[in-house]
Amino acid sequence: ETGVTQTPRHLVMGMTNKKSLKCEQHLGHNAMYWYKQSAKKPLELMFVYNFKEQTENNSVPSRFSPECPNSSHLFLHLHTLQPEDSALYLCASSQDQLRNTEAFFGQGTRLTVV
Amino acid sequence: DQQVKQNSPSLSVQEGRISILNCDYTNSMFDYFLWYKKYPAEGPTFLISISSIKDKNEDGRFTVFLNKSAKHLSLHIVPSQPGDSAVYFCAASGRQGAQKLVFGQGTRLTINP
Repeated sequence: ETGVTQTPRHLVMGMTNKKSLKCEQHLGHNAMYWYKQSAKKPLELMFVYNFKEQTENNSVPSRFSPECPNSSHLFLHLHTLQPEDSALYLCASSQDQLRNTEAFFGQGTRLTVV
Repeated sequence: DQQVKQNSPSLSVQEGRISILNCDYTNSMFDYFLWYKKYPAEGPTFLISISSIKDKNEDGRFTVFLNKSAKHLSLHIVPSQPGDSAVYFCAASGRQGAQKLVFGQGTRLTINP
């Protein structure tokens, strides 16, 4: 248990569906992140939020829309995805995005787009 | 351009022996390095880190070595145990801290009894 919880753990969605991934952290951290892990590729940073403000968008397509209502919660809204978007989506948090501290990861959501 | 590279996709070691996982980086601005461990169906968990002002950091069976001139770091696990079987990711960050954590592709370590 890392203190970062992601739901759902698994998600299968059609290309015309709209769904959301949820992440919650109980560590009192101020920074939260979305990462994508595709098969045989390194973890790719998608978005960074620091004190609820988005500070990084790593050239992510607009069909992925993040939302951070407070420092403890992070969402990733999905719409009109493509099959190549199938991957493991990981949420992480850290004390402060600018400090050299480790990030704590959730267990991930395994997304399959059909 | 991959800034953090783990050139060995897999490694097999006998139980009780030493496991050595390697990582190379290209960005000289990186000054903080981390190792994460990942079991199937779980997120990565932090294992050990090292700042560029050090060349060695030890935590129990785990030791990380940093060679700045060679832009190389390694993780030593001794003695290796079956529970160490997992995928190990090397990661690096620079002045922008955790915001710009860059990961390697991972090395799958298998400990054989």
